[in-house]
Amino acid sequence: EDQVTQSPEALRLQEGESSSLNCSYTVSGLRGLFWYRQDPGKGPEFLFTLYSAGEEKEKERLKATLTKKESFLHITAPKPEDSATYLCAVPSNGGSEKLVFGKGTKLTVNP
Amino acid sequence: NAGVTQTPKFQVLKTGQSMTLQCAQDMNHEYMSWYRQDPGMGLRLIHYSVGAGITDQGEVPNGYNVSRSTTEDFPLRLLSAAPSQTSVYFCASSESGTDQPQHFGDGTRLSIL
Repeated sequence: EDQVTQSPEALRLQEGESSSLNCSYTVSGLRGLFWYRQDPGKGPEFLFTLYSAGEEKEKERLKATLTKKESFLHITAPKPEDSATYLCAVPSNGGSEKLVFGKGTKLTVNP
Repeated sequence: NAGVTQTPKFQVLKTGQSMTLQCAQDMNHEYMSWYRQDPGMGLRLIHYSVGAGITDQGEVPNGYNVSRSTTEDFPLRLLSAAPSQTSVYFCASSESGTDQPQHFGDGTRLSIL
């Protein structure tokens, strides 16, 4: 069964304190790994797609990386506005068009 | 651009009532899907559609029906609401499938009493 596990469930950082979020996955034949950001009361917002091991994508203070078993979302010198829940998802295989999400990491950045 | 529009934003129902959650997208996307999001459970797929006239079940389809008569619209029907269906419901779309970024609406917050 395809699975996505995110850790930690919650993370509190001080402004400027860099850290990483983890997304481990089990799926046969990766067709992409997606990171989303979700603010309270809103729908998830797309951040990055990674398709192959070794690939990296950057956007402002965020950098996503991918290995054959997991992905990391690195947050460098975070600001309070980076506070959100970060979600990871992978397409399932087996002939269906289903997307499997992790439960997310709730990030809080204190000023 | 409106993107993905969900209506209503909030709804309270009594057990046994039926209702339809609306979802419309103006991006000419072929793939559309419905999720529910519950505390501690993450996003779970209810139903999805790869194009007009084609729908399929996701992870948690029981108690929900969908249809896709046009490319733009993908309504979700609750046939007989139960308290276990209290949740936040999100609709999403993408150009052609799950290997592309999904565009989400802002959700419908549904309470079943």
